[in-house]
This record gives sequence, C-alpha cells and structure tokens, in this order.
Amino acid sequence: EDQVTQSPEALRLQEGESSSLNCSYTVSGLRGLFWYRQDPGKGPEFLFTLYSAGEEKEKERLKATLTKKESFLHITAPKPEDSATYLCAVTGNEKLTFGTGTRLTIIP
Amino acid sequence: DGGITQSPKYLFRKEGQNVTLSCEQNLNHDAMYWYRQDPGQGLRLIYYSQIVNDFQKGDIAEGYSVSREKKESFPLTVTSAQKNPTAFYLCASARLGQGNEQYFGPGTRLTVT
Repeated sequence: EDQVTQSPEALRLQEGESSSLNCSYTVSGLRGLFWYRQDPGKGPEFLFTLYSAGEEKEKERLKATLTKKESFLHITAPKPEDSATYLCAVTGNEKLTFGTGTRLTIIP
Repeated sequence: DGGITQSPKYLFRKEGQNVTLSCEQNLNHDAMYWYRQDPGQGLRLIYYSQIVNDFQKGDIAEGYSVSREKKESFPLTVTSAQKNPTAFYLCASARLGQGNEQYFGPGTRLTVT
C-alpha cells in the first residue's frame, strides 16, 4: 500500500526566512510525485510533478527535489502570500495517495 | 477559459436525503475523480472514471454513487447510507499518460444536519 508522510504538520516563518518541507513516501514503482498548494476553502492548485530521483523543478520562490525515499519543497525568501497548506502525493498506478499536508504561515 | 467547475459551493441537507454534487470539466481530460477532505486527513478517493460509461470504486466508496454519461461530467450522489457525509468534496480531472497530473475544482462543502 502506498504511503505518504509530510512533516512538519505546521510551520511558521518570518518573511524572508527560507526553509524546507518534507514528504517521505513508499510506493511500488513510482510513476510520479506531485506537489500542490491549497488555500483555505479552495481546491488544491497543481505546482510540480517529479518523476525520478535527482530531478528538480522550480517556480518562483519554490523548488522541489526528489530522492528515492523523499521529496523536499524548498521555499526561498518567502512572502506572506506563500502562506497555504502544501500537499504531497504519489502514484504508482492510476490513483494518487496524498499526505495530510504542511500548513505554512509566513509572518510579515 | 478551460477549467473544472463544481456547484454549488455550499450545500446544506437534512439527514436521510440524497444529494448530488456537480462536476464539469472543459479540459478534454479522459479521467475524473472524486475526493473527500476532512480536517487533519489527507484527500481520500471516493470514485474515479477513466472512460465514459465506466467507473471504479476508490478507497471510501460506501454510501456514494457516480455516473459518467459524458466525458465532461462526473456527478457524485451522496446517499442517505453515507454515515458521515459532512465534508469538503473535491473533483479532479487528468489527461491519462505519464504523470497523470490531476487538476482540481474549487470544491463543494456539504453540511448534513
């Protein structure tokens, strides 16, 4: 059974203070690892797909990396508008397995 | 303007009533999915469909039913058999192939009292 564990559950940072969110996973035959951003009361917004260990993708202040056991979402010099819950998901077949997310708060 | 729409945004029902949540997409995606999100839990898959007139149960299908008569539409019915129907319901769609990135609608918050 596929499993995804995200840490920490919640993270508070000062504006400009860089940090990383972790996503540990077990899956039989990884076909993709996904990162989403979710604002309160809204649907998740797709950010990145990573397919194989060593791959990296960037978007504005976010960079996602992937190893054989975990993925990191690095956030550089965050701004208050980066506050959201970040979800990680994996797939080894046609279904996605989601983690419970990291709630990120950026304090001005 | 392509995307996924869900309606209504908020829905209130009395216990014992069936209710149908709408999901429409104009992205020409083959696959569609229904998830349920509860506080402190990850998204849980209710049903999914990869082709018209065919669908499969997800992890928590009991008390729910779906249909897929058109590629663009995948309505979810929450029946009176669902023991804890109050939740945030999310619909997603994906183009099948490498990665299968799923794109989500805005969600429907269902409250049953």
